[in-house]
Amino acid sequence: NAGVTQTPKFQVLKTGQSMTLQCAQDMNHEYMSWYRQDPGMGLRLIHYSVGAGITDQGEVPNGYNVSRSTTEDFPLRLLSAAPSQTSVYFCASSPGQISSGNTIYFGEGSWLTVV
Amino acid sequence: KQEVTQIPAALSVPEGENLVLNCSFTDSAIYNLQWFRQDPGKGLTSLLLIQSSQREQTSGRLNASLDKSSGRSTLYIAASQPGDSATYLCAVKDSNYQLIWGAGTKLIIKP
Repeated sequence: NAGVTQTPKFQVLKTGQSMTLQCAQDMNHEYMSWYRQDPGMGLRLIHYSVGAGITDQGEVPNGYNVSRSTTEDFPLRLLSAAPSQTSVYFCASSPGQISSGNTIYFGEGSWLTVV
Repeated sequence: KQEVTQIPAALSVPEGENLVLNCSFTDSAIYNLQWFRQDPGKGLTSLLLIQSSQREQTSGRLNASLDKSSGRSTLYIAASQPGDSATYLCAVKDSNYQLIWGAGTKLIIKP
């Protein structure tokens, strides 16, 4: 009954450090995505993937990399952390592209602070 | 560029009241609109999805309406309960097949 699992839940980074947020889903979903949520703003799409081996940029991709080597996993890499990347990060998955109206499932979020 | 607005940012009502949450969007060319619930420290849960050709969707005490021409959607919650306390977000699927999100309305139901 796992659904979408994100790790770590909390992380503090120093400016310039790199790290990877992990995301795994056990529902065999093709579509996966990463969002960031900042106070007073809606979720913003960072990167997304429509299947293994296929990724694309969202609205705010700068400073982040992704890869999709398997259907299950979609890690998000911060290359050189900056204070502007302090945010809550959500991973999401759905059976198909959201255009088809499929239900989207979210992980519980990763709280990242960059000092 | 599509923009989604939710007003008010926060709402507090006594238990048992019926209430309406609002969502407005600037571009009527949408594929669908969804309402989500977010509990503190948790992810988002999809509540209702309305396709662009539909006017409303219902699930239990929740009813969501969509008026594309005016760029508005409402989420009606009947007989509110303390367990309904959460942040409610709406998101529209824009012409680029991406979800554009509102900032949410934080709802507090007072016992």
